[in-house]
Amino acid sequence: QVQLQESGPGLVKPSETLSLTCSVSGGSIGYYYWSWIRQSPGKGLEWIGYLYNSGSTNYNPFLKSRVTISVDTSKNQLSLNVNSVTAADTGVYYCARADATGILFLNHWGRGALVTVSS
Amino acid sequence: QSVLTQPPSVSGAPGQRVTISCSGSTSNIGSNYVYWYQQLPGMAPKLLIFGNNQRLSGVPDRFSGSKSGTSASLAISGLRSEDEADYYCAAWDDTLTGRGLFGGGTRVTVL
Repeated sequence: QVQLQESGPGLVKPSETLSLTCSVSGGSIGYYYWSWIRQSPGKGLEWIGYLYNSGSTNYNPFLKSRVTISVDTSKNQLSLNVNSVTAADTGVYYCARADATGILFLNHWGRGALVTVSS
Repeated sequence: QSVLTQPPSVSGAPGQRVTISCSGSTSNIGSNYVYWYQQLPGMAPKLLIFGNNQRLSGVPDRFSGSKSGTSASLAISGLRSEDEADYYCAAWDDTLTGRGLFGGGTRVTVL
């Protein structure tokens, strides 16, 4: 059974870069759609972007200029970077894997990592 | 304001049937599959329905999904206390370079 675990700094200063890692166990990263999703406090879910087959990416157009998703296959880890953060980037960040060809067929989720943007 | 519109809340007594609507457009629900997620307090979302109306293995048949045109619905019949949670619809949107969309979420309260 695949397991996902997000990790990273819980506090980031405004204008700096938010960096998170998703460690994958019980399965390999290849040939799946891996998405990052975030949830602002008390709010709904927002899709950030995906990485597919250890290479191709697609980002939410409204975040695209600030977001990078990458993979380290040797470590079985995904990474998310969001630069020039503001308080609006505060929230719980989830990594998730789609089990079928549907990008939003998100059948496996991490527990989430809370990131607060504050000086 | 989410592109996929859901009612903020619905409620029902135990045993009753509740329905959650999700309204979109031709570029998302109208041309792509709809998914439904359940999020219990303090937990990550859990996939319930995929492909508009297919239950994931292990999901009780009390949960059912449907889609018509640019709208979709999730029905919960025989409401139980453990169904009290937030529910989100999701669909791919084909505009621009494409993006995943989630509805704003609906809180289901069991009275």
